[in-house]
Amino acid sequence: EDKVVQSPLSLVVHEGDTVTLNCSYEVTNFRSLLWYKQEKKAPTFLFMLTSSGIEKKSGRLSSILDKKELFSILNITATQTGDSAVYLCAVEGHNTDKLIFGTGTRLQVFP
Amino acid sequence: DSGVTQTPKHLITATGQRVTLRCSPRSGDLSVYWYQQSLDQGLQFLIQYYNGEERAKGNILERFSAQQFPDLHSELNLSSLELGDSALYFCASNRGGADSPLHFGNGTRLTVT
Repeated sequence: EDKVVQSPLSLVVHEGDTVTLNCSYEVTNFRSLLWYKQEKKAPTFLFMLTSSGIEKKSGRLSSILDKKELFSILNITATQTGDSAVYLCAVEGHNTDKLIFGTGTRLQVFP
Repeated sequence: DSGVTQTPKHLITATGQRVTLRCSPRSGDLSVYWYQQSLDQGLQFLIQYYNGEERAKGNILERFSAQQFPDLHSELNLSSLELGDSALYFCASNRGGADSPLHFGNGTRLTVT
């Protein structure tokens, strides 16, 4: 059965710290891995990683995919209070269009 | 703003009742997904439609049903509601196919009392 496991469940840091969020997965015929940020409402798309794009970067956020070891990490450098959110990891296989989500990592950044 | 519109924002209803949640996908998106998010279970995939046809089914209860209309909007019908159905219900859309991330609406919060 396809599954996604995220760690840690929760993280509390001070502004300016660097954090690393982990996502390990099992999926039949892997197609892509996605990261989302969820504040109070809708998850918002951050990155999509595929076989042809295993590293992505946007500002202070970056992510890599290790297809051999079946995991991904999301790095946030110089964290700000606005980074406080739940970060969700999801995977998709070629055999299905549905995204399977992990339960998320709750990040709290304090001033 | 993702461009995905869900109504209503909140619903409070009693056990045994039936409700309909509505979703309008982003302009140009053919595929609509429904997810349920409860506190203890994260985002659970319910069902997907592509251009009016059911494409994939997840852990959707028999009491729940959905459809996608010719104008591509979608409705999720929940019947014989139970307390455990209380959750956030998200709709998401994409163009369909590979390299097309899902974009989520703001969700409908359903409270069953």
